[in-house]
Amino acid sequence: DAGVTQSPTHLIKTRGQQVTLRCSPKSGHDTVSWYQQALGQGPQFIFQYYEEEERQRGNFPDRFSGHQFPNYSSELNVNALLLGDSALYLCASSFMSGRAAETQYFGPGTRLLVL
Amino acid sequence: AQSVSQHNHHVILSEAASLELGCNYSYGGTVNLFWYVQYPGQHLQLLLKYFSGDPLVKGIKGFEAEFIKSKFSFNLRKPSVQWSDTAEYFCAVNPSGSARQLTFGSGTQLTVLP
Repeated sequence: DAGVTQSPTHLIKTRGQQVTLRCSPKSGHDTVSWYQQALGQGPQFIFQYYEEEERQRGNFPDRFSGHQFPNYSSELNVNALLLGDSALYLCASSFMSGRAAETQYFGPGTRLLVL
Repeated sequence: AQSVSQHNHHVILSEAASLELGCNYSYGGTVNLFWYVQYPGQHLQLLLKYFSGDPLVKGIKGFEAEFIKSKFSFNLRKPSVQWSDTAEYFCAVNPSGSARQLTFGSGTQLTVLP
């Protein structure tokens, strides 16, 4: 049973560029959440996708956008990259049920460095 | 908005010592609580979780945590640590209800000396 997978593992970009990160959820999961983890910090919630729609959003600018596909996989796009966007980007998948708290399972992350 | 505080940023213990990592949250409503661990070079893994019921929950690898509602705390414990427990530990909160995002603390780096 494959867990959450993310690609690429590492990425180097320059300021002003755009980047796309990808995530495939754990088998049986239909919800994908994205988090940003800066060095020495805990993960911060960016947004969550369910049924191909953004359901919740954290305190991140519109430069951060996403998409979910019919097979539940997801992309995170960041436009006009800033140096401060350098971080580990984590994808977490879960199953949306009637309960408020589904356990989220995390992927290995994509480490983005902006020069 | 909810917040999570982990006051111990770095803890150093010798093998066989007992461990307690503090976690306090700020939120007025009902919450669900989690501890995740990040071993060096590995992804975040769930250690244990509390949704409801018995406030003392047991997780993997001998870890346990106790939810004390009156203190807004969810401290992680292990009676005897091993070198392999060296990792970063994150406490996270998910408010009960429609919100599903996790709010994480800043993490505690645990170093266990052999």
